[in-house]
Amino acid sequence: GAGVSQSPRYKVAKRGQDVALRCDPISGHVSLFWYQQALGQGPEFLTYFQNEAQLDKSGLPSDRFFAERPEGSVSTLKIQRTQQEDSAVYLCASSPRVGDHQPQHFGDGTRLSIL
Amino acid sequence: AQSVSQHNHHVILSEAASLELGCNYSYGGTVNLFWYVQYPGQHLQLLLKYFSGDPLVKGIKGFEAEFIKSKFSFNLRKPSVQWSDTAEYFCAVKLGNAGNMLTFGGGTRLMVKP
Repeated sequence: GAGVSQSPRYKVAKRGQDVALRCDPISGHVSLFWYQQALGQGPEFLTYFQNEAQLDKSGLPSDRFFAERPEGSVSTLKIQRTQQEDSAVYLCASSPRVGDHQPQHFGDGTRLSIL
Repeated sequence: AQSVSQHNHHVILSEAASLELGCNYSYGGTVNLFWYVQYPGQHLQLLLKYFSGDPLVKGIKGFEAEFIKSKFSFNLRKPSVQWSDTAEYFCAVKLGNAGNMLTFGGGTRLMVKP
C-alpha cells in the first residue's frame, strides 16, 4: 500500500553539516506536516503545508530549519549547520483535505543523529 | 498554548488485565482528540478519534476512549489486553476552531507480559 514514505530512514551527520530529509506523502493528500520527536518524548509540530503553500512554520526551532514543498507533493526538510540538539526522529504526516475531520497518516520517520 | 499530559510513562500488565491510560489537555475551546499507537519498529497509527457527538468512541482492536469535557480528559481503555498490544500510545489534540497541527502527549509505553 502507498503510505507516507520518508527517506533516508537513518542519517548520521557531523555537527555543522547540512542535511536534507525527504517526505513523499500519500498521493493526492493536500495537507503535509513535519514533526520532531526527541528521545522519550511525543512528536512536536514543526511546520504545515497546504499544497505548496507553507501556512504555518511556527514550530521550526531556529532559522537553520527550512522546509519546502514546491509542487505540492514531495516535501524536503533541510537543517543547516546541524547541532547536537537536532538529533531526533523527524516525522512526516499527510491528510487528504483541509478540515477538522481529517486524521493524519504518519511515515516511519527519519532518525537523525548528529555527532 | 495547549498542552497534553499523559500521566503514566510506563505501564506493565499481564495478558487479560484491563487497561486505562490517562490523557488530559489544557484548552477550554472546541477540540478534536486522538489516540495513536506505535508498535515496535512501525509508524504511528490511528487508534481512534473524537470530533463530536457520543463522547464514548470505539476504535480498532477493541480500544475505546471516553471524552469527559468537564475533566478535560480523554482516557483510553481496553477491557482485556493481549501481548500484541505492547506498544507506545500517544494522545493528541487538535484545536477545533483553527489550525491543523496536532499537539501530542509524551506517550505511554505499555508492556504486556504473556
